[in-house]
Amino acid sequence: GQQVMQIPQYQHVQEGEDFTTYCNSSTTLSNIQWYKQRPGGHPVFLIQLVKSGEVKKQKRLTFQFGEAKKNSSLHITATQTTDVGTYFCAGPGGNKLVFGAGTILRVKS
Amino acid sequence: KAGVTQTPRYLIKTRGQQVTLSCSPISGHRSVSWYQQTPGQGLQFLFEYFSETQRNKGNFPGRFSGRQFSNSRSEMNVSTLELGDSALYLCASSLGGPGGTEAFFGQGTRLTVV
Repeated sequence: GQQVMQIPQYQHVQEGEDFTTYCNSSTTLSNIQWYKQRPGGHPVFLIQLVKSGEVKKQKRLTFQFGEAKKNSSLHITATQTTDVGTYFCAGPGGNKLVFGAGTILRVKS
Repeated sequence: KAGVTQTPRYLIKTRGQQVTLSCSPISGHRSVSWYQQTPGQGLQFLFEYFSETQRNKGNFPGRFSGRQFSNSRSEMNVSTLELGDSALYLCASSLGGPGGTEAFFGQGTRLTVV
């Protein structure tokens, strides 16, 4: 079945440093979604990318969808302590969303 | 509008018992998906319901079952609980189905099996 791989599994950065998480799908995706889960919380939708090569920005967050629509990345510029949490990518697979394992981000202040 | 509501928030059960979890989706959403989240396994898909029909099922044993009512509220049931069933159970609702549009998650039910 469809698989969504996400790396790294865990990243610990100094406040102010940049952070990137990568997502790769075993199949071409019609779209890719990103979610953030704060510690003790539930996943919250961040964005959806649909077009090949699409780039979207949300303040310090930059999301990219690969040309082949099989990979995606989330880049955070100048991390802040409010960025801590787990970032998940997810792609549609039939009548379900297939999630990557997530990248846990910790920020040292 | 009200978000996705899951009840109860916390639950402690003994091995061998059964449990029923409830999820009320956002008004107007007809798709409800259930996920199991554990520290080492991420978000594992259990099943998805749309208009009272199960459209997709993950790789979980038959002890895990669910249903959806005509008002789109959904329940999941786990019978003969095992220690390994301890997890956060999340439900997510969406307008037309998962993957096509944004999924809204509830706060989850934290199940502990002792």
